[in-house]
Amino acid sequence: KAGVTQTPRYLIKTRGQQVTLSCSPISGHRSVSWYQQTPGQGLQFLFEYFSETQRNKGNFPGRFSGRQFSNSRSEMNVSTLELGDSALYLCASSPGTVSYEQYFGPGTRLTVT
Amino acid sequence: AQSVTQLDSQVPVFEEAPVELRCNYSSSVSVYLFWYVQYPNQGLQLLLKYLSGSTLVKGINGFEAEFNKSQTSFHLRKPSVHISDTAEYFCAVSEAMGGGADGLTFGKGTHLIIQP
Repeated sequence: KAGVTQTPRYLIKTRGQQVTLSCSPISGHRSVSWYQQTPGQGLQFLFEYFSETQRNKGNFPGRFSGRQFSNSRSEMNVSTLELGDSALYLCASSPGTVSYEQYFGPGTRLTVT
Repeated sequence: AQSVTQLDSQVPVFEEAPVELRCNYSSSVSVYLFWYVQYPNQGLQLLLKYLSGSTLVKGINGFEAEFNKSQTSFHLRKPSVHISDTAEYFCAVSEAMGGGADGLTFGKGTHLIIQP
């Protein structure tokens, strides 16, 4: 089976712009979670989707949003980018209705200038 | 809410020597425990997990971990390391009754450096 894929792998944006990141889960996986990884804060949970519904969201401002499509693919959007949004954004997918066992993609490296 | 403490930010070890990476957690509810590895410029790979049952868990690449409920620890061990084990290792917890929807809580990571 193909693993979790994320596009694009690298992205450079300017402050104030918005960005959309894409994640395709492992075939058959219905749960998708997003994480932000920075040197200072480490890995932090952004949100989790199952069957097109957001089940939980981490402690991030409303500028961070996401959605999941009927084929389980997911996108996350960050509006009004700030320098502090520079990070590695990781997507993970899980089989079944529970999300304990998460399989991560390679991430999208976002740089905000 | 849960928290995870990885006691060492960096662990240098000679090749073929044993290694232990320490992880302690704090939670008011039952948790599931995980170790992930991250190689440079890559995502996270699941090494092993503890959900229930035997407290000694074996994972991939010769790693194992032991769940100690009384000490709230989940230390990762390998009897003999190789250069290829050089990577960042993350300990993570998830609330057992939450279905995983509240995500994984990660420690800050331990950089394992293998010296020839």
